Amino acid sequence: SAVISQKPSRDICQRGTSLTIQCQVDSQVTMMFWYRQQPGQSLTLIATANQGSEATYESGFVIDKFPISRPNLTFSTLTVSNMSPEDSSIYLCSVEVKNIQYFGAGTRLSVL
Amino acid sequence: QKEVEQNSGPLSVPEGAIASLNCTYSDRGSQSFFWYRQYSGKSPELIMFIYSNGDKEDGRFTAQLNKASQYVSLLIRDSQPSDSATYLCAVTLGGAQKLVFGQGTRLTINP
Repeated sequence: SAVISQKPSRDICQRGTSLTIQCQVDSQVTMMFWYRQQPGQSLTLIATANQGSEATYESGFVIDKFPISRPNLTFSTLTVSNMSPEDSSIYLCSVEVKNIQYFGAGTRLSVL
Repeated sequence: QKEVEQNSGPLSVPEGAIASLNCTYSDRGSQSFFWYRQYSGKSPELIMFIYSNGDKEDGRFTAQLNKASQYVSLLIRDSQPSDSATYLCAVTLGGAQKLVFGQGTRLTINP
C-alpha cells in the first residue's frame, strides 16, 4: 500500500479566494488522482495527474478552476480557484500502487 | 444508465448475520472491481478487490463477480457493529485505469 499525507485536513474559505491542497506519498508513484466528494455523495474523479505531463481532466472539470501540479513522483497539489459555496466538499487525493488506489484522509472545504 | 450502480440503502442487518451488498456495472470490458469501506467523516479504505478471473475470500469478506449479469457482490459474514459504514463499489472502465464509483450503500449492523 502507501502512506498518503494530505493537507490541510480542513479549511474554511471566503468566496472568491483560492485554496491549494497538498498530497504527499511515501513512495514514488506514477499515477495520482484527485476526487471530489460532495456531502452525502460518492466520489467523482476530477483529474488524473501523471508526473511530467499535463493533468487529464474529467468532463465538467477545467484546468482554470482546478489547476494541478505534479512536480515529482511523490507529490501533487490541487488548487480550487475562485471559490464559491458550491465548491464546499471533501477533496481526496489517491495514488495507484500495483493497480490499486489508496486514498489520503481528505480535505474538508467549506466556502462561505 | 449510470456506469456503476448500487442500492443506496440503508441496509440494516442484525449482528452475526450475513450482509450482502450488490453493485451493477455497465461496461462489459471492465476488468477490475473494488470494494471500499467509508466510515462517516473518513476517507475510503480498501476492503476487497477482484479481477475478472474469479471470486475472492478474505476472512469474513467474500467478493463475487457475475460477468454475464455484470454485477459484483460483497458478502460480510458474522456481521459486527464495527462493519456499519458506507460501502463503495468501484470499477475500472474497460482498458482504462481510472475508477468509477457507485453511490455507495449505507450498512447498519444492529446489536
